Amino acid sequence: DVKVTQSSRYLVKRTGEKVFLECVQDMDHENMFWYRQDPGLGLRLIYFSYDVKMKEKGDIPEGYSVSREKKERFSLILESASTNQTSMYLCASSLRDRALHFGNGTRLTVT
Amino acid sequence: LAKTTQPISMDSYEGQEVNITCSHNNIATNDYITWYQQFPSQGPRFIIQGYKTKVTNEVASLFIPADRKSSTLSLPRVSLSDTAVYYCLALRNSGNTPLVFGKGTRLSVIA
Repeated sequence: DVKVTQSSRYLVKRTGEKVFLECVQDMDHENMFWYRQDPGLGLRLIYFSYDVKMKEKGDIPEGYSVSREKKERFSLILESASTNQTSMYLCASSLRDRALHFGNGTRLTVT
Repeated sequence: LAKTTQPISMDSYEGQEVNITCSHNNIATNDYITWYQQFPSQGPRFIIQGYKTKVTNEVASLFIPADRKSSTLSLPRVSLSDTAVYYCLALRNSGNTPLVFGKGTRLSVIA
């Protein structure tokens, strides 16, 4: 079974802090994605990557950046966390245009 | 990317068959229809995927008419554990394309 592991289940950070959310997948998938999920808004795509060192903006990239130095790891970076970035963050991976496999999410609270 | 539209919520009693319809009027020729299920505090999970006619697996059936402008996810004899949010997506079968989720359908199964 594909395993997508997100480094933290819950995270509490202060406004202005730099925050790193890490995601690792173990199935050699080319594609990796970061979504955030908020009540009433569904899942929204932040960034995705279809190869090492490649990245593409999703629907809501503002305030975020990403890093993909190795195929199995995709990091989401909040350069200066703000309270409106309090959310559930979901990482996913897939083979090219195949079904997405999601991690269990990181619930980030920015105070 | 084809935009999908689903009902926001549905209720059902245990043991009933539930049909959730998704419309995707501008679906492209090489788009597949894919459904995901999400339980609270978990990432979405792939359920089923199809191109046209009918697909069935151990979890659900998917009906796609000839014009492919809509699809119906059918859950036979639902139980309380089927209470979840169900997402319909149009997934391109070529190239590297991000998956954009709508708000999904919240299914509540009542005893």
